[in-house]
Amino acid sequence: SQTIHQWPATLVQPVGSPLSLECTVEGTSNPNLYWYRQAAGRGLQLLFYSVGIGQISSEVPQNLSASRPQDRQFILSSKKLLLSDSGFYLCAWSQGAVSGQPQHFGDGTRLSIL
Amino acid sequence: AQTVTQSQPEMSVQEAETVTLSCTYDTSESDYYLFWYKQPPSRQMILVIRQEAYKQQNATENRFSVNFQKAAKSFSLKISDSQLGDAAMYFCAYRSLFTGGGNKLTFGTGTQLKVEL
Repeated sequence: SQTIHQWPATLVQPVGSPLSLECTVEGTSNPNLYWYRQAAGRGLQLLFYSVGIGQISSEVPQNLSASRPQDRQFILSSKKLLLSDSGFYLCAWSQGAVSGQPQHFGDGTRLSIL
Repeated sequence: AQTVTQSQPEMSVQEAETVTLSCTYDTSESDYYLFWYKQPPSRQMILVIRQEAYKQQNATENRFSVNFQKAAKSFSLKISDSQLGDAAMYFCAYRSLFTGGGNKLTFGTGTQLKVEL
């Protein structure tokens, strides 16, 4: 069966520090991968998605970037964090070439910027 | 572009009773997929139910069922015999039939469901 791992679960970082959140998927190949941000009590905002290694699509302009160095690895990064980067970050995957498949989510990372 | 609207920010239900959460969407596509996700206090996103627009039969998963009205572009979720564990934020989501464009989901803003004793 497929599993998705996302870490760390919680992160407290000072303003201006770098960021690296990692997400890996097991049990499938060539998945579509996604990064979302969720503000407290709000809906999900899609930040990036990837349909293959090295292929990144950005949905909103922001202080963050994403990379996919391996087929089942998706990384969310920032060189200098802003206070507005605080939030709950979710990674998700879906089967790329199969129509109708839902997205499956990791457990999320709670990011607090001080 | 597609939009998904959940007009009920909060709903309450008594334990063992039935509750219906509303969702409407706007699309020009004729075939697509609709989903309900549940997000409990742990904030994990859990798939509840899926509906293919080309299927007229409403999807059902145990105590969860949908009322899919394609012409009205409505996709409500009915929870029967509500349990304390059903308390969560519920998100409705839309996905195009086509696999291009990253198979992105369009989410509604969510409905917070409270279950009372």
